[in-house]
Amino acid sequence: NAGVTQTPKFQVLKTGQSMTLQCAQDMNHEYMSWYRQDPGMGLRLIHYSVGAGITDQGEVPNGYNVSRSTTEDFPLRLLSAAPSQTSVYFCASSYLGRDEQYFGPGTRLTVT
Amino acid sequence: AQSVTQLGSHVSVSEGALVLLRCNYSSSVPPYLFWYVQYPNQGLQLLLKYTSAATLVKGINGFEAEFNKSQTSFHLRKPSVHISDTAEYFCAVSDRRNRDDKIIFGKGTRLHILP
Repeated sequence: NAGVTQTPKFQVLKTGQSMTLQCAQDMNHEYMSWYRQDPGMGLRLIHYSVGAGITDQGEVPNGYNVSRSTTEDFPLRLLSAAPSQTSVYFCASSYLGRDEQYFGPGTRLTVT
Repeated sequence: AQSVTQLGSHVSVSEGALVLLRCNYSSSVPPYLFWYVQYPNQGLQLLLKYTSAATLVKGINGFEAEFNKSQTSFHLRKPSVHISDTAEYFCAVSDRRNRDDKIIFGKGTRLHILP
């Protein structure tokens, strides 16, 4: 099993550009989530999904959109990138929301 | 709502020494508790988890944690650390009663092992 995969590993955007961070898992997990990690802030939940077709907002959802059309994929879209979105983004999945989460390797995003 | 507090954002210990990383949780009932480790430039991986009655939980790489209900703590320890244990460690909590509850992470403790 590949586990949780994320692409790209690195990305540089200009302010105002849009892009999609890809996340996929092959463990048939129902629950998937996106976090951002910033120094001293720990992990902050952006959006999550408890199953295909169901998504909800986390702690810091502004400026991001998600959709879940399949169990395997959970892409994160930045609508109009801002320097405040410079961060490391992690995707994670689990059987249930309360269970141990399996993390992808992360995407390091810089917005100039 | 669940929450966790990690005491100490940075900890430095000498190689071979005992290390104790502190985590206190807030919950009305015993929750699920987790410790994750993040090595430089990598994602998080699970070290250990508490989900049942056994209060001493053993994890990977020689780490263990003890669930203490009266002190609402779940401290992580390792009797003898190695240089390779240099990483950031996160404590996390979730509500065992709610299958869709979200895991809440602490802000992390960066562990530096001195040679």
